[in-house]
Amino acid sequence: DAEITQSPRHKITETGRQVTLACHQTWNHNNMFWYRQDLGHGLRLIHYSYGVQDTNKGEVSDGYSVSRSNTEDLPLTLESAASSQTSVYFCASSPDSFGNTIYFGEGSWLTVV
Amino acid sequence: AQSVSQHNHHVILSEAASLELGCNYSYGGTVNLFWYVQYPGQHLQLLLKYFSGDPLVKGIKGFEAEFIKSKFSFNLRKPSVQWSDTAEYFCAVNANNAGNMLTFGGGTRLMVKP
Repeated sequence: DAEITQSPRHKITETGRQVTLACHQTWNHNNMFWYRQDLGHGLRLIHYSYGVQDTNKGEVSDGYSVSRSNTEDLPLTLESAASSQTSVYFCASSPDSFGNTIYFGEGSWLTVV
Repeated sequence: AQSVSQHNHHVILSEAASLELGCNYSYGGTVNLFWYVQYPGQHLQLLLKYFSGDPLVKGIKGFEAEFIKSKFSFNLRKPSVQWSDTAEYFCAVNANNAGNMLTFGGGTRLMVKP
């Protein structure tokens, strides 16, 4: 079955370190997204991509970057991890059409100490 | 830019009670509306969605939602909740000027007491 997977599922890192969260989907979806989930804020969009070589900033993009070298993967990089980036991160993907359902990965729990 | 408000942050109900979770959005154009559910320790799953047509949408597990355009609302309802409905519920909006991005509300945590 097609799916979307994230790794690592849990990570503890130190302030100032670079961290990369992987996201891989096998649906061949062009659209991919990264959200962070924080209590009281729901899910907030970090970055998104509508296709290979396309990346865009979302609502809370500061301190994060993404790259899209192929259809299947959208890795999220924290350039210099900060305690404020302790959160649960969800990757998602969807087909092209406006309003199509977005499918979420199982989440990556990141703690920055 | 669109925004989504969920007014109830925490709801506690007893089994068999009726549920209504509020969701309001701010955007005057065409929208698609979604409710997602997140069970403890799991990822978000789609409960139901509204694209067009009948404003009363039925989803999985007995949930339904009504789109009231004049009120910019998309409230989620269930006549009789079960303990297994304990979860966090998110309303989301996809506006036609926002590509395929979703804007989420802050979520409502529902606890159903057995």
